[in-house]
Amino acid sequence: NAGVTQTPKFQVLKTGQSMTLQCAQDMNHNSMYWYRQDPGMGLRLIYYSASEGTTDKGEVPNGYNVSRLNKREFSLRLESAAPSQTSVYFCASSGDRGLSPITGELFFGEGSRLTVL
Amino acid sequence: KNQVEQSPQSLIILEGKNCTLQCNYTVSPFSNLRWYKQDTGRGPVSLTIMTFSENTKSNGRYTATLDADTKQSSLHITASQLSDSASYICVARGGFQKLVFGTGTRLLVSP
Repeated sequence: NAGVTQTPKFQVLKTGQSMTLQCAQDMNHNSMYWYRQDPGMGLRLIYYSASEGTTDKGEVPNGYNVSRLNKREFSLRLESAAPSQTSVYFCASSGDRGLSPITGELFFGEGSRLTVL
Repeated sequence: KNQVEQSPQSLIILEGKNCTLQCNYTVSPFSNLRWYKQDTGRGPVSLTIMTFSENTKSNGRYTATLDADTKQSSLHITASQLSDSASYICVARGGFQKLVFGTGTRLLVSP
């Protein structure tokens, strides 16, 4: 059972380059999320999608765009990468509809480690 | 301001010993609190959830407690194993369906 799959696992970019992080889940979950994790800081929500066809900004959306391609897939795009976007990015999904599952849990992917030079 | 603070930041214990990790939250209104385990290079995985009405819940060698009056939760690990080496993240659900993440406690179990 794959769960949440993210690609790529590692990526190095130069400032100004663009790239897309891919995420897919096979649990038939409604909600999907993109977080970034930086040393000394808790996971911070970038964007989320409460259901297929909808996306909303989280707490740190600047510099990112997302696409909910279908129920399974949710991608994160960096249009013009900056060194401040060096981070580990996690995609997550939840069976509940909405920003935050009431009692449900978040299922995370393995993470994508991005370095911007 | 909604906030979750965890202590200690890091901890080293000998294999077989017990330890307790702390989580203080200032989240209102409070709905539930979840503990996640994050192995190095992996995504977080849920260990347990504590709701407002629960005081103690066990999951194998992990026991979580919640004191809603003092807004504190703890995660106690009994008879630690090398595989317990990980970061443990406390997440509280607050108002407007917002999840508030702690910065985690990094635990190293030494042989």
